Amino acid sequence: QLQLQESGPGLVRSSETLSLTCSVSGGPISRSSYYWGWIRQPPGKGLEWIGSIYQSGTSYLNPSLRSRVTLSVDTSRNQFSLHLTVTAADTAVYYCARDADNSGSFDYWGQGALVAVSS
Amino acid sequence: QSALTQPPSASGSPGHSVTISCTGSSSGIDNFNYVSWYQQHPGKAPKLIIYEVIKRPSGVPDRFSGSRSGNTASLTVSGLQAEDEADYYCSSYVGRNNYVFGSGTKVTVL
Repeated sequence: QLQLQESGPGLVRSSETLSLTCSVSGGPISRSSYYWGWIRQPPGKGLEWIGSIYQSGTSYLNPSLRSRVTLSVDTSRNQFSLHLTVTAADTAVYYCARDADNSGSFDYWGQGALVAVSS
Repeated sequence: QSALTQPPSASGSPGHSVTISCTGSSSGIDNFNYVSWYQQHPGKAPKLIIYEVIKRPSGVPDRFSGSRSGNTASLTVSGLQAEDEADYYCSSYVGRNNYVFGSGTKVTVL
């Protein structure tokens, strides 16, 4: 059974860079045509797609966040990561997830990591 | 790209049906077959229940069904059960390698 687990700091200062890592177990991250994505949810609000990355490192980003986000992948560690330069508006639960065929259908999700941004 | 529009809330009695709409203001729902629906219980990660407009992942009851008409996608939950009470989100590919989620609908089982 595929499992995803987010890890990273729970508190970040505004203007600093948040780095979150998603560790994947139960299957290789480099398998087949899978994409790996990040989605976030501010407290009490809806979901927002941040971006997705392929095993090759090719990434697609939400245009509204593109100037502040980079994604990376480490197939040797079976991990992928999110790097975001934050403001207070970036306080949210951050989820990593698998998109099995680059269709935006995320079928496996991590449990989520709450990140608060302080000013 | 603005979020897809969903009604904030919907409700139905046990055994009855509820339908949630998801409307896009620009190309996306009507141009691509990449509409998904997610169920989210409080404090939990979302769960994929519909993908590619009408398909159900393995293990999702056939009480959940998806459809589309023009730029509006819909999710119908038939035979409502207490455990169906949750937030539901649609999402769609909108072109240029960009995905958008809906605003979310809270479903209450009366």
